[in-house]
Amino acid sequence: QVQLQQSGPGLVKPSQTLSLTCAISGDSVSSNSAAWNWIRQSPSRGLEWLGRTYYRSKWYNDYAESVKSRITINPDTSKNQFSLQLNYVTPEDTAVYYCVRAPPGGGADSWGQGILVTVSS
Amino acid sequence: DIQMTQSPSSLSASVGDRVTITCRASQYISSFLNWYQQKPGKAPKLLISAASSLRSGVPSRFSGSESGTDFTLTISSLQPEDFATYFCQQGYSTPLTFGGGTKVEIE
Repeated sequence: QVQLQQSGPGLVKPSQTLSLTCAISGDSVSSNSAAWNWIRQSPSRGLEWLGRTYYRSKWYNDYAESVKSRITINPDTSKNQFSLQLNYVTPEDTAVYYCVRAPPGGGADSWGQGILVTVSS
Repeated sequence: DIQMTQSPSSLSASVGDRVTITCRASQYISSFLNWYQQKPGKAPKLLISAASSLRSGVPSRFSGSESGTDFTLTISSLQPEDFATYFCQQGYSTPLTFGGGTKVEIE
């Protein structure tokens, strides 16, 4: 059974960087069938996919255009985890952030517990 | 981006009722359509993948169907634990996109 455990701060100041980590158990970040995603949810924007990383003989990343200039998703094979960095945050980035396993084309079958990140000074 | 239009946004129903939720994709997505259930304070839970494939452990009262770019989630006999919000999501292409949700409330 796959479990995803998220960690990171719940409060970030405007213009700073939001950083979250997702530790994986029961699967590998280097899996050739999975993809590791970040999704956020807010009342104003609903469920919003931010991006993903996955390994298919080499590493790939896909990002949403809405955050492409500010986002980095990195795998860490030594710790079997992956991370999200979102730069230059504004109050509009306030949301519950989830890390999610979802194979390309498949459903999101494992979710982290979610972290409410508030952007405020 | 592929837009997912979900309806209704909310509904009131009673235990035992048959409930139908619809999701329309703005373009062809084959059968790459997933349904989720979300309860307050919890992460979404995958119910159905590939439009009609029931996930292991999900009660058989849940079913999914498709007709072109129209997709339907049906709960054949609503149970007390089914009161929640339901979302559709397309997995055909990035960005992955979600419907706006349907909140199922007690009548």
